[in-house]
Amino acid sequence: DAKTTQPPSMDCAEGRAANLPCNHSTISGNEYVYWYRQIHSQGPQYIIHGLKNNETNEMASLIITEDRKSSTLILPHATLRDTAVYYCIVRVVGGSNYKLTFGKGTLLTVNP
Amino acid sequence: DSGVTQTPKHLITATGQRVTLRCSPRSGDLSVYWYQQSLDQGLQFLIHYYNGEERAKGNILERFSAQQFPDLHSELNLSSLELGDSALYFCASSVASGGHSTFQETQYFGPGTRLLVL
Repeated sequence: DAKTTQPPSMDCAEGRAANLPCNHSTISGNEYVYWYRQIHSQGPQYIIHGLKNNETNEMASLIITEDRKSSTLILPHATLRDTAVYYCIVRVVGGSNYKLTFGKGTLLTVNP
Repeated sequence: DSGVTQTPKHLITATGQRVTLRCSPRSGDLSVYWYQQSLDQGLQFLIHYYNGEERAKGNILERFSAQQFPDLHSELNLSSLELGDSALYFCASSVASGGHSTFQETQYFGPGTRLLVL
């Protein structure tokens, strides 16, 4: 089962930053936080992941709290094409089982 | 474009039939994963293959089977199809090795196959 809690939906104005929260209060020391998004029945798209440091790439930034019990995905300048379901996933990296456990995610709607 | 390809894009068939879904991983990726997405169950992990060997099973029905071939492409076989098998089926691939690893095995998903069982 997914070990994350996300709001079911959020709205954001085009051009503004979208901040998507995720709670993972039972995260273990060897578990990473991954973010994927799914745009209308397309294949899930990898966004970013991190262990404990903040991370940034060309798509987004990931802010992980010091206690690692929550994180925030930031899309700095949301566009209409960012409307999607965003999934926050906690997983152990390494070992023999690499499955991703998806929860219900957050439906982000970017409005013009 | 993730580099993962899946065929066919759409498949319509009847109950009781058998279908095969095909996945070609990204160049260099040794691991292939299959996921099912239905309206009521969300995205669920089915099975993981690494370099031709089955590594992990999730909520995969006995009527379903998969294999990974020497060229690393994978096929998911669905038999005795039921109405409830109608879903999106996604394949993902990653570099992932079979044992403990210090690098992050990001999974990249294909565009999916939409299966409709009538």
